[in-house]
Amino acid sequence: DTAVSQTPKYLVTQMGNDKSIKCEQNLGHDTMYWYKQDSKKFLKIMFSYNNKELIINETVPNRFSPKSPDKAHLNLHINSLELGDSAVYFCASSQVRRRWGGWYGYTFGSGTRLTVV
Amino acid sequence: GQQVMQIPQYQHVQEGEDFTTYCNSSTTLSNIQWYKQRPGGHPVFLIQLVKSGEVKKQKRLTFQFGEAKKNSSLHITATQTTDVGTYFCAGPHPQGGSEKLVFGKGTKLTVNP
Repeated sequence: DTAVSQTPKYLVTQMGNDKSIKCEQNLGHDTMYWYKQDSKKFLKIMFSYNNKELIINETVPNRFSPKSPDKAHLNLHINSLELGDSAVYFCASSQVRRRWGGWYGYTFGSGTRLTVV
Repeated sequence: GQQVMQIPQYQHVQEGEDFTTYCNSSTTLSNIQWYKQRPGGHPVFLIQLVKSGEVKKQKRLTFQFGEAKKNSSLHITATQTTDVGTYFCAGPHPQGGSEKLVFGKGTKLTVNP
C-alpha cells in the first residue's frame, strides 16, 4: 500500500564507509527526487530524475551517486561517508500535469535517518 | 538564486488560538505548495495555489496566494493539538521548473493543550 517506500529507515555507520539507500514508488509518477533535511529541518533538493534521466544535480559532492534503474526506483549511494552527511534523506515523487504544465504535489517517503559516527 | 523565506520560524500557541505562517519569494512564482511535517514524520502535501489572489480552504486551514504571486500565507483557526508540526511552503525554482521545488525553512508550530 505504501506509495513511496524507502529502506532502511535508520542507518548508523562509521566515517569512511559506503552505504546505499533505496527508494521505490508505486504511484506511476514519472519524476523522483532525493532531498536532504538537516538538523534545522531545512529541506534541500539533491537530485531529480525524470523517467530514469538525471534532471537536477544540485551541487552535491560526487561522493553521492544516484541511480534510477527504472522510473519506479531511485537509489542513492554514498561513498566515504563524512560526519556532515548525517541527516534525514527523503525520497519523493511527483507527476507533471500534462495539460497546463504544472504538477501535482510531491509524495514523500518516510525518510532514512543517517547517522555517521 | 531564488529563495523562499518563511516566517516565523517558531510559533507557540494555546489550543484554540489562531496561527498564521507567511511565505515570501524573491521572484514571481507560477504556483506555491504547502506541506505539513509532523514531528518524526515526513512532509505531506496539503495544497497547491496557482492563481493570483487565490484563496482556498480546508476545514480550519485557509491558504492565500498574493496578487503579485510572490507571497502566500497559511492561517489556522482555533488550533488543536493535532495541528502540531512544521509547515513548509515551496515554490518552483525559475530554472528548475517542476523538477526543482524550493522549500522555505518552515514554521514549527507547537500547541499547548
